[in-house]
Amino acid sequence: RKEVEQDPGPFNVPEGATVAFNCTYSNSASQSFFWYRQDCRKEPKLLMSVYSSGNEDGRFTAQLNRASQYISLLIRDSKLSDSATYLCVRDTYKYIFGTGTRLKVLA
Amino acid sequence: DAGVIQSPRHEVTEMGQEVTLRCKPISGHDYLFWYRQTMMRGLELLIYFNNNVPIDDSGMPEDRFSAKMPNASFSTLKIQPSEPRDSAVYFCASSNTGTDTIYFGEGSWLTVV
Repeated sequence: RKEVEQDPGPFNVPEGATVAFNCTYSNSASQSFFWYRQDCRKEPKLLMSVYSSGNEDGRFTAQLNRASQYISLLIRDSKLSDSATYLCVRDTYKYIFGTGTRLKVLA
Repeated sequence: DAGVIQSPRHEVTEMGQEVTLRCKPISGHDYLFWYRQTMMRGLELLIYFNNNVPIDDSGMPEDRFSAKMPNASFSTLKIQPSEPRDSAVYFCASSNTGTDTIYFGEGSWLTVV
């Protein structure tokens, strides 16, 4: 089993839709989790950290479920500019990335 | 502020040739990471350094790959000899103790023919 698993997608959604991605991890000792965004032919960039209590940043909400070992990302009111690949990441000093979920927001 | 700087940005080389990728991390960062990204395998951690010391190289695919960090501002990833299956984007990234964010360079796009 991979350390971090994601549905590769693509998720094709209309503008304004709400979309959610999940990511499962296998190392129960993992302490830190993040969501990164990667645009086509660009480097990954931090989107947001994921805290145990859940956190929100504008249209984006991240949740952590330690019991079931998954993290989620919810995007509300999708914009065309949200089209990208979303990578979930675990741990602090040895960042392990999932393979990413592709999102396409359609006009 | 300068980000992580990688060179070359693009390289096309023939099978069997030596390839050297270079990275300058963000000044003051004490962690440096080398990743490889392919469509099939995603973003794989090859090796990471802390204070110029290699901490974990378990992701290095085989002996053809080697990485060094002679000082806090420079690292290299070398492939010798290169093979077509090494074709990928190689990212260097750095971070600082006590912060959560890892910053990536723009990547080195390697094609081995």
